[in-house]
Amino acid sequence: DSGVTQTPKHLITATGQRVTLRCSPRSGDLSVYWYQQSLDQGLQFLIQYYNGEERAKGNILERFSAQQFPDLHSELNLSSLELGDSALYFCASSRYSGGAPNEQFFGPGTRLTVL
Amino acid sequence: LAKTTQPISMDSYEGQEVNITCSHNNIATNDYITWYQQFPSQGPRFIIQGYKTKVTNEVASLFIPADRKSSTLSLPRVSLSDTAVYYCLVGESGGGADGLTFGKGTHLIIQP
Repeated sequence: DSGVTQTPKHLITATGQRVTLRCSPRSGDLSVYWYQQSLDQGLQFLIQYYNGEERAKGNILERFSAQQFPDLHSELNLSSLELGDSALYFCASSRYSGGAPNEQFFGPGTRLTVL
Repeated sequence: LAKTTQPISMDSYEGQEVNITCSHNNIATNDYITWYQQFPSQGPRFIIQGYKTKVTNEVASLFIPADRKSSTLSLPRVSLSDTAVYYCLVGESGGGADGLTFGKGTHLIIQP
């Protein structure tokens, strides 16, 4: 158990809908990262927050947005969903603000299925 | 962007030492090298991180030559449970997305 929690574990929805994925980091971790993993694209970095502020941005679509709240939990919002958005979404947390060196702790993931 | 290149897959046998090499020809001065392990449907797990020479912990060793253009993850005496995908990441300590690019990784298969 990494100490990072993600809800829900599974999510099934239809195209065009909007969903929110939630992540609670390990106690004391200020950085939260979001990743998308699909079969054909591998593990893609989406976005990082550090203590409420956006720190780094990866291949995140404009239909996706995220935020980190004062209690440090984070939410990833996915809107106008398409079939291709079906994937595993991982959240990770770490103590540091930098990309490296630091150890990221990953949550169990949310499996999103868009029908 | 410090791009990495790893073999797509490797296989070995229980009890053997496995070495996975990662190429990162355009690594920058401030870049560190980090390796993660991922089992199916689980999040990646940190294995080891280094800057130069050799780093060893309880599960693996990381060898980095003087020019730092490559690195080798060494797993001693592997078991079936070491079957997983291994990712090499290169990125700087100052932040940014570079150090968070996982790529496709190396699928290691251990046979009895």
